[in-house]
Amino acid sequence: DGGITQSPKYLFRKEGQNVTLSCEQNLNHDAMYWYRQDPGQGLRLIYYSQIVNDFQKGDIAEGYSVSREKKESFPLTVTSAQKNPTAFYLCASSAAGTGLPYEQYFGPGTRLTVT
Amino acid sequence: SQQGEEDPQALSIQEGENATMNCSYKTSINNLQWYRQNSGRGLVHLILIRSNEREKHSGRLRVTLDTSKKSSSLLITASRAADTASYFCATDAWGGSEKLVFGKGTKLTVNP
Repeated sequence: DGGITQSPKYLFRKEGQNVTLSCEQNLNHDAMYWYRQDPGQGLRLIYYSQIVNDFQKGDIAEGYSVSREKKESFPLTVTSAQKNPTAFYLCASSAAGTGLPYEQYFGPGTRLTVT
Repeated sequence: SQQGEEDPQALSIQEGENATMNCSYKTSINNLQWYRQNSGRGLVHLILIRSNEREKHSGRLRVTLDTSKKSSSLLITASRAADTASYFCATDAWGGSEKLVFGKGTKLTVNP
């Protein structure tokens, strides 16, 4: 099956701890994205990567970090500097960069709760 | 600020009725997309309409785009209970950028 996987589905952490969310895709997409979604809200872009070993900040990058060492993987670390980390995190990928209109494919999401 | 704004925020209809959701945006775009999200799940792409297109159909979905008014509408005909979900529009706000900007969504409830 082709697609995007995120793990775990639910994650609980104590305040002050860093936590890493996994995102893997086997769609051979160059571009990958991380979004944050709060209740009743739309998606806000945290980071995105258009190619391996390169990534750019989105609208709300403070308190987050990413890496893109492999085309298939784009893990997101929520650091202790993120003031309000409890949210639903969505990873996506797309064939952006091919010159054609593109759609984004989303993973099932990780719900992070920090107490 | 977010590029797309959906209207209404919530919509409740009976099965078999049509559902219309609107999206307004602020700057020039290349494409506008509609996505669906079931509660607690990831988003699923529904349809993409280019800025030089005015209308597009896919099954029971009909999307229109009016670039002069910077608005789009999504019509779901003959709705079913399984259509219950949130619907988001997304635009490539920076003219060809690989980034999409999503609105806050319309929550559609279809009552059986």
